[in-house]
Order: sequence, then structure tokens, then C-alpha cells
Amino acid sequence: DGGITQSPKYLFRKEGQNVTLSCEQNLNHDAMYWYRQDPGQGLRLIYYSQIVNDFQKGDIAEGYSVSREKKESFPLTVTSAQKNPTAFYLCASSRDFSSYEQYFGPGTRLTVT
Amino acid sequence: EDKVVQSPLSLVVHEGDTVTLNCSYEVTNFRSLLWYKQEKKAPTFLFMLTSSGIEKKSGRLSSILDKKELFSILNITATQTGDSAIYLCAVDPIQGAQKLVFGQGTRLTINP
Repeated sequence: DGGITQSPKYLFRKEGQNVTLSCEQNLNHDAMYWYRQDPGQGLRLIYYSQIVNDFQKGDIAEGYSVSREKKESFPLTVTSAQKNPTAFYLCASSRDFSSYEQYFGPGTRLTVT
Repeated sequence: EDKVVQSPLSLVVHEGDTVTLNCSYEVTNFRSLLWYKQEKKAPTFLFMLTSSGIEKKSGRLSSILDKKELFSILNITATQTGDSAIYLCAVDPIQGAQKLVFGQGTRLTINP
């Protein structure tokens, strides 16, 4: 089955620690995206990648970093510089960056205490 | 700043009712407006609208776009408990890559 997987589903970390969220897709999509969702707010774009070895900052990139070394994988690192890291993180992909339809993974809920 | 606003933020109705969800937007450029349904975790795609006045329909769901007044509505008729979800509206403002701007979402609850 083709799709997007994110792991883990729930993640707990102590303040001051970096943490990496996994996102893998087997849809052969070129473009991948990371969003953050907070209660009462829409999805906000953190980073996006149009193609392998390329990525761009979204609207709220501060305190986050990404890599895109393989087409299938787009991991997101939440660094200790991110002031409010507790949130629900969604990864998405699209066929290419001009495609309208984005496919979403199941999400990772990160709690930092 | 590009902005998408949805209303109401929360709606509770009885099974069988018809609901209308609203999405208004302000963007510098506009390419398309998308509706997603978010149950449990991952949003799933419902509709993409690019032209004014053309209704998109899928079963009991329908949506239409008004590019003059800068809004879209999502209608759900004969609602069922399975329609309970967060409905997200997003606009593609042509910034190069497909960088969607999302609204806050409308949490719809259908009571039996």
C-alpha cells in the first residue's frame, strides 16, 4: 500500500533536548512538507522540499531543521531553540510542487516538559 | 499577509441536519482553494476549487467558490455521525511552491 508514515505516534521529551520526527513516503512524490498544528489554529508550514537535496523555510521555521537526502524521507528535527515545541506535527507530500493535492501522514504528537 | 478564516470554529448539530461551513480568504494571488476533512489524525482531501460559481459535489458534500467576494462554502446535507470531524480550508496563493495557507478549521460534531 502506498502512503506516508510518521513515527512515532507519540513522543515525549525533556526541555533542552533535540528530537527528530520521521516521515517516509512510498508514493514516489517529489515534494514533501512539514506542518505544525496547535489547538484552535490551522496548519502552519514549517519547511518544505520540492526535490531531493533541496528544502526551503516555511512560515515558522525557527527552531526546526530538516534534511532531504532521499526522495522517500524528510525528517524534521525540533531543536532546543524552539520555544513552544509541544504540538501535533503533520508531514505531507505531493506529486510535485505544482500539484494541488497533498497527502498527509498520521501525525506525531510531541510533548516537551 | 495571506490569511484564511473559517467560521464557525465549532458546530454541533443533530444527525440529519444540513450544515454550511464558511471559508473566507485574503491572499495576494490566488490559484486554488482546497477543503480537507480531518478525522482522528491525518487530513484527507475533499475538494479543490479554482473557478467561481462551479459547484463541486461528492455524495452529500458540495462546495462552491466565490472569487469576487473571496469565500467558499462547504455544504453537508443529511449529516451522519461519521461526518464528525475538523474541516480545514486552505488556499494556494501562488508563492512558487505549493505553499498552502490553512484556516483554523471548523470542528463539526454530529449527535445521533
